Amino acid sequence: QLVLTQSPSASASLGASVKLTCTLSSGHNNYAIAWHQQQPEKGPRYLMKVNSDDRHTKGDGIPDRFSGSSSGAERYLTISSLQSEDEADYYCQTWGAGIVVFGGGTKLTVL
Amino acid sequence: QVQLQESGPGLVKPSQTLSLTCAVSGGSISSGDYCWSWIRQHPGKGLEWIGYMHYTGSTYYNPSLKSQVSISVDTSKNQFSLNLRSVTAADTAVYYCARLVITVVNYYFDYWGPGTLVTVSS
Repeated sequence: QLVLTQSPSASASLGASVKLTCTLSSGHNNYAIAWHQQQPEKGPRYLMKVNSDDRHTKGDGIPDRFSGSSSGAERYLTISSLQSEDEADYYCQTWGAGIVVFGGGTKLTVL
Repeated sequence: QVQLQESGPGLVKPSQTLSLTCAVSGGSISSGDYCWSWIRQHPGKGLEWIGYMHYTGSTYYNPSLKSQVSISVDTSKNQFSLNLRSVTAADTAVYYCARLVITVVNYYFDYWGPGTLVTVSS
């Protein structure tokens, strides 16, 4: 069964960097995922797609501070030079056999 | 730039049908490269995929909602719709429409609507 696992919370200081992780279930190491950001009281926004070969494709207007990477079953979202507006929920998402799957989301707090 | 906008009643009575429409601008709903999807978010919870449809008629629904859901596309109006039958208080949520990009390696959402809150209550 295709499942995405995310840590419920993360925190980092203003100006620092943070790396969020999304883990694919066993047998799905080659799946691409997408990262979405949801700021408080707003709808989600597409950030980027991350392939298993470490390539990532960003959405329109996404700053260079956001980058994606991949290792085995893990897909990463790295945010550098953290700003207050980066405080948000981050969801990973994938697709398999017609079904869309979301991770549970990571709530990022900027200290 | 593609934009999506949900519309529909904010209040639905239990056992009735929840009906929402998503208007698409800045792109054609008849493009073969995309599907059109609904997602919901219960208060304080994560994202739950409801289903999606290609303009050719192919549909896929969340197995947990399949008996309750139907999605349709109106190419003449460049919009698509959600019907959720026999609703209960558990269907109270913010409902989002989104565009789903079809690629060889993955399907992913690249544009989202702002969302609309639907409350199920008598």
